[in-house]
Amino acid sequence: DQQVKQNSPSLSVQEGRISILNCDYTNSMFDYFLWYKKYPAEGPTFLISISSIKDKNEDGRFTVFLNKSAKHLSLHIVPSQPGDSAVYFCATMKSSGDKLTFGTGTRLAVRP
Amino acid sequence: NAGVMQNPRHLVRRRGQEARLRCSPMKGHSHVYWYRQLPEEGLKFMVYLQKENIIDESGMPKERFSAEFPKEGPSILRIQQVVRGDSAAYFCASSLDRGLEQYFGPGTRLTVT
Repeated sequence: DQQVKQNSPSLSVQEGRISILNCDYTNSMFDYFLWYKKYPAEGPTFLISISSIKDKNEDGRFTVFLNKSAKHLSLHIVPSQPGDSAVYFCATMKSSGDKLTFGTGTRLAVRP
Repeated sequence: NAGVMQNPRHLVRRRGQEARLRCSPMKGHSHVYWYRQLPEEGLKFMVYLQKENIIDESGMPKERFSAEFPKEGPSILRIQQVVRGDSAAYFCASSLDRGLEQYFGPGTRLTVT
């Protein structure tokens, strides 16, 4: 029972363009939504989060959008840089401090 | 300002042996989470511990797996009588006072031969 889905296993984007990563979830009880970035042989690194009472949160080049009616969130990276090449996981949390439920990840490749 | 430490980074065990994975949280963090990533899958929650207490073990297999976080020392994830299906990357994360952000360690890659 995959509660959090990332339907695109991979994405390739030209440097300087926008990267859009998508995530769908099934459980409307989640209060927080997070994005993590992971390089090979390293642990995930927190990128940005959004609470269920908001529909947008921005931090530098990263913006997360939440559409609660569609149970969908997305991460926008603009402009994309080669150093952004990594696997991106969306994750959900029922309340602060609770366990994270991860999606299966999207591998982003930013071409120079 | 050390981050979350995990050791060993790589562990090879034969079927039937025991595996012990260690996690030292960030300084001042008293909440530890263990996750497992099977090949080509996302991370899956296993157990959440606070000092000397198991808070949520809903993701732990019923047999052979146990976890502890003693008052002193690292958190330990113990797998008894390992099988090939236990081969995975095991990550621990720590947080401060049930905060939103969990900080992950580099993981332990367990290979069962």
